[in-house]
Amino acid sequence: NAGVTQTPKFQVLKTGQSMTLQCAQDMNHNSMYWYRQDPGMGLRLIYYSASEGTTDKGEVPNGYNVSRLNKREFSLRLESAAPSQTSVYFCASRGEGRDGYTFGSGTRLTVV
Amino acid sequence: QQQVKQSPQSLIVQKGGISIINCAYENTAFDYFPWYQQFPGKGPALLIAIRPDVSEKKEGRFTISFNKSAKQFSLHIMDSQPGDSATYFCAARIDRGSTLGRLYFGRGTQLTVWP
Repeated sequence: NAGVTQTPKFQVLKTGQSMTLQCAQDMNHNSMYWYRQDPGMGLRLIYYSASEGTTDKGEVPNGYNVSRLNKREFSLRLESAAPSQTSVYFCASRGEGRDGYTFGSGTRLTVV
Repeated sequence: QQQVKQSPQSLIVQKGGISIINCAYENTAFDYFPWYQQFPGKGPALLIAIRPDVSEKKEGRFTISFNKSAKQFSLHIMDSQPGDSATYFCAARIDRGSTLGRLYFGRGTQLTVWP
């Protein structure tokens, strides 16, 4: 099925470890987004990419880096994980001229 | 600074009743207002959306009411069903310039519909 695929679905990290969350979409969308979801806080934008080769900071970028590898893939990297980064991470994409986002099913990350 | 304020945080409604979730915003540059529905373990999915040139949009049992002068919009779920139990997010977007396509979300409302 067409859509946004996120891997892994679950991950437990120790403080200080690094990891990369992967996101790929097969809808030929230009724009891609990384959000984190925390209880009572809604969805907060970490980074986004309006097109291949461009990335911009969102509301909560500290502690994260991103790479727009090609039009399909947008990865999120935690260089040195902290307990405050325990969250559910969602990747989303949007086609040019279209309104709605398509979200992936999320990565639940726990940092201990 | 919360760009979109959503209330209530949680809502319990009896089957067949009307669920109402409210959102408010300050930035008059917002020009697109969607509502997303999220079931446990899933990503949010677009439910219904409105632009500020209309005051109401209805799709089945779901209606958005929009008050431009008050900078408020709300989601009404008529004849609420247990299958509507989910978390609902309002959002707003500025579709110009450097913020192209960025959505600002409310904090969410957890709706429970009792059978």
